[in-house]
Amino acid sequence: DVKVTQSSRYLVKRTGEKVFLECVQDMDHENMFWYRQDPGLGLRLIYFSYDVKMKEKGDIPEGYSVSREKKERFSLILESASTNQTSMYLCASSLPGKAADTQYFGPGTRLTVL
Amino acid sequence: AQRVTQPEKLLSVFKGAPVELKCNYSYSGSPELFWYVQYSRQRLQLLLRHISRESIKGFTADLNKGETSFHLKKPFAQEEDSAMYYCALSVEGSNYKLTFGKGTLLTVNP
Repeated sequence: DVKVTQSSRYLVKRTGEKVFLECVQDMDHENMFWYRQDPGLGLRLIYFSYDVKMKEKGDIPEGYSVSREKKERFSLILESASTNQTSMYLCASSLPGKAADTQYFGPGTRLTVL
Repeated sequence: AQRVTQPEKLLSVFKGAPVELKCNYSYSGSPELFWYVQYSRQRLQLLLRHISRESIKGFTADLNKGETSFHLKKPFAQEEDSAMYYCALSVEGSNYKLTFGKGTLLTVNP
């Protein structure tokens, strides 16, 4: 059973703070993804990684960066948090190639930026 | 670029009634289509994919390339079907990234 865990379920930060969201998967998946989920906007891809130290921008990368130093861990970084980054953040992982479309999601981190 | 449209933000039906969640896509090639579901307080998970042509929890979805649609259907809705449903698309050459629709919140009333 694939397990994707996220470091926090709820997080409250102040404007301007540097924020780290961590995601860990235990199924040796090559691909990992970060999405934000907003009511009425659905899921939007922020960044994804298809290998260690490899990353690719998604649809809304502005204001975010990522780090993948180990295969099982994918971090999302908000360099200077802003109120418009208040959202639910979902991490996902998948196998490569054709199997990539079956993504396994974490429980989400609800981030509030005050 | 590819796009997925779910025209209904909210859909409410009574238990036992048929339900259809609409999904339309725009892509000139041959995409693969999926439905993902998120039940209350649970993780987002894959419900079904068009290439499998299977029924999951009584739901089916047929890819209609002429109408560029992939509607999700169930003949008799159950209260436990209440959830947020997302239609998603992947295309070859994009590292199989998924493009999601904005979602439809289905409520099945007793």
